[in-house]
Amino acid sequence: EIHLLESGGGLVQPGGSLRLSCAASGFTFGSYEMNWARQAPGKGLEWLSYIDGSGSTMYYADSVRGRFTTSRDNAKNSLYLQMNSVRAEDTAVYYCARVRGVGEANMDVWGKGTTVTVSS
Amino acid sequence: DIQMTQSPSTLSASVGDRVTITCRTSQSISSWLAWYQQKPGKAPKLLIYKASNLESGVPSRFSGSGSGTEFTLTISSLQPDDFATYYCQQYSSLWTFGQGTKVEIK
Repeated sequence: EIHLLESGGGLVQPGGSLRLSCAASGFTFGSYEMNWARQAPGKGLEWLSYIDGSGSTMYYADSVRGRFTTSRDNAKNSLYLQMNSVRAEDTAVYYCARVRGVGEANMDVWGKGTTVTVSS
Repeated sequence: DIQMTQSPSTLSASVGDRVTITCRTSQSISSWLAWYQQKPGKAPKLLIYKASNLESGVPSRFSGSGSGTEFTLTISSLQPDDFATYYCQQYSSLWTFGQGTKVEIK
């Protein structure tokens, strides 16, 4: 069964750092591009970042560019989001999602999410 | 950046109703549009991709149409399991979500 599982969320102080992980199983992880998205409490979905299968190309939303870094370790079937200089507005549920591929860039598999709270 | 305008923001309907949600984009995205369903506390679930393609396992009462800048999601006969929030998403240029439409019980 195809599965994504995020971890690493928690309480972090403004200006602090946190590293989220996403463990993939049930598919050939290195063959797929991946995205991170988030959802602030009571708000809609926001795309955050993209990484290609080899980990050589990344794109970021303006809201996190320069503060967040996405990376992957295909040997460990894992995706990461390094969050630095966090702000109160980064409080959200963070999801990793698989990009379908084969000419399609929709997000066909999602993890259950991990919650990040930024507060002093 | 491509802007998304989804309407309505809230929709009250009864079981058996035909429901239509609209999504407009600030520039043409061809057919690079997806629809997701999200229930409280759960991850989004892909329903429709490439504007009109039904994701495997999704009931046939869901359908999508449109191209260019205007798209619709239709639920032909609303079922109790369909009360949820629906989001459109463009993936022509990076990714952008619409603001969401909450379908609630009338």
